[in-house]
Amino acid sequence: QSVLTQPPSASGASGQRVTISCSGSSSNIGTHLVYWYQQLPGTAPQLLIFNDNQRPSGVPDRFSGSKSGTSASLAISGLRSEDEADYYCAAWDDSLKGHVFGTGTEVTVL
Amino acid sequence: EVQLVESGGGLVQPGGSLRLSCAASGFPFSMYDMHWVRQPTGKGLEWVSGIGTTADTYYVGSVKGRFTISRENAKNSLYLQMNSLRGEDTAVYYCVSGQAGWAYWGRGTLVTVSS
Repeated sequence: QSVLTQPPSASGASGQRVTISCSGSSSNIGTHLVYWYQQLPGTAPQLLIFNDNQRPSGVPDRFSGSKSGTSASLAISGLRSEDEADYYCAAWDDSLKGHVFGTGTEVTVL
Repeated sequence: EVQLVESGGGLVQPGGSLRLSCAASGFPFSMYDMHWVRQPTGKGLEWVSGIGTTADTYYVGSVKGRFTISRENAKNSLYLQMNSLRGEDTAVYYCVSGQAGWAYWGRGTLVTVSS
């Protein structure tokens, strides 16, 4: 049972914008950096956003991260079919003294 | 090119043991924290354990006292000794690393705990 809550699914038409929320608490998102991972079907996850809002080289600028208080968000603009994947937020948790992942969100392109 | 290659997974009976290994290459292994992350089939990701560059270790609550993470810098290798295995430990286990976020992931090794 994860301490970071995400909606189970999100969808949008090709070209539209989708936003995924990640709700935590003062012991994780409220204090520590947030990371986002994309998991394409049948593959290992890959880093999408680090340090709340930074993109690794090679990640399109259609992906953006933000954080406010104890919540974080991932936005995907100009949605494309290849964006269909599961997305997970993650952070360190002081109370659990460990890393935690969000519950995951499946993105579908209509 | 960075590579993380896991091995050691398989079928084990409840209460049994397995030792996972991860062979790393393409980055300065001794300078990186290393982690194990698992994913049951069709479910989400769960961080299992991590080990720092000074061999400090961390575990998720459900595996404390049963799993032991270790590293051998001379061999660029990471290990996870898993004892007293339970059905809920069934998952793909990924070897993971990186500095700002986990940019390096292996392909995973499947552990199945079943009688």
